Amino acid sequence: GNSVTQMEGPVTLSEEAFLTINCTYTATGYPSLFWYVQYPGEGLQLLLKATKADDKGSNKGFEATYRKETTSFHLEKGSVQVSDSAVYFCALGGRSGGSYIPTFGRGTSLIVHP
Amino acid sequence: NAGVTQTPKFRILKIGQSMTLQCTQDMNHNYMYWYRQDPGMGLKLIYYSVGAGITDKGEVPNGYNVSRSTTEDFPLRLELAAPSQTSVYFCASSYSHSNSGNEQYFGPGTRLTVT
Repeated sequence: GNSVTQMEGPVTLSEEAFLTINCTYTATGYPSLFWYVQYPGEGLQLLLKATKADDKGSNKGFEATYRKETTSFHLEKGSVQVSDSAVYFCALGGRSGGSYIPTFGRGTSLIVHP
Repeated sequence: NAGVTQTPKFRILKIGQSMTLQCTQDMNHNYMYWYRQDPGMGLKLIYYSVGAGITDKGEVPNGYNVSRSTTEDFPLRLELAAPSQTSVYFCASSYSHSNSGNEQYFGPGTRLTVT
């Protein structure tokens, strides 16, 4: 079946540091890949997505590239801000048993200090 | 578009009480989902629906029921509330028309405490 593994947190960084959150996946077929962000007290919202191999998704300074050869979709940002403090979820789309059931990672908490 | 709306935002239940969590979406999405998120944990799928009149169990359906009489609404029913159901509940929807899957839109959540 489909699965997503992402690095455990919390990840603690100083403002303007470089961020990488690793995500690898196992899937059949060619699923879309997503990063969602959850700010404190809120629901998840889509941060970026990629729908096929070698696609790069980007938004708000965050980037992730769909790497089929390494089954990875690592999230990166060159210079984090305090306002980026949140929980980040990697997810893959595609079918599971005939229905569209996304598969989520466990989430990685990011804490950015001034 | 309001997107996905959930009510109530907060609720405290006594053990054995029942309640319905409401979820409505105005994007004409065919898929709708209910998740629970325990403190510091990821999402667990409770139930989902592929369209009006069709529902199916997810990973943790025990203690819950759902119905989908319209495209817009997907209420979650808790019967005989138990402390183990203390959690944050999220409703989500998506329009899935490709084999690769589309993004989900989430509601703001309902924070439920059972004491």
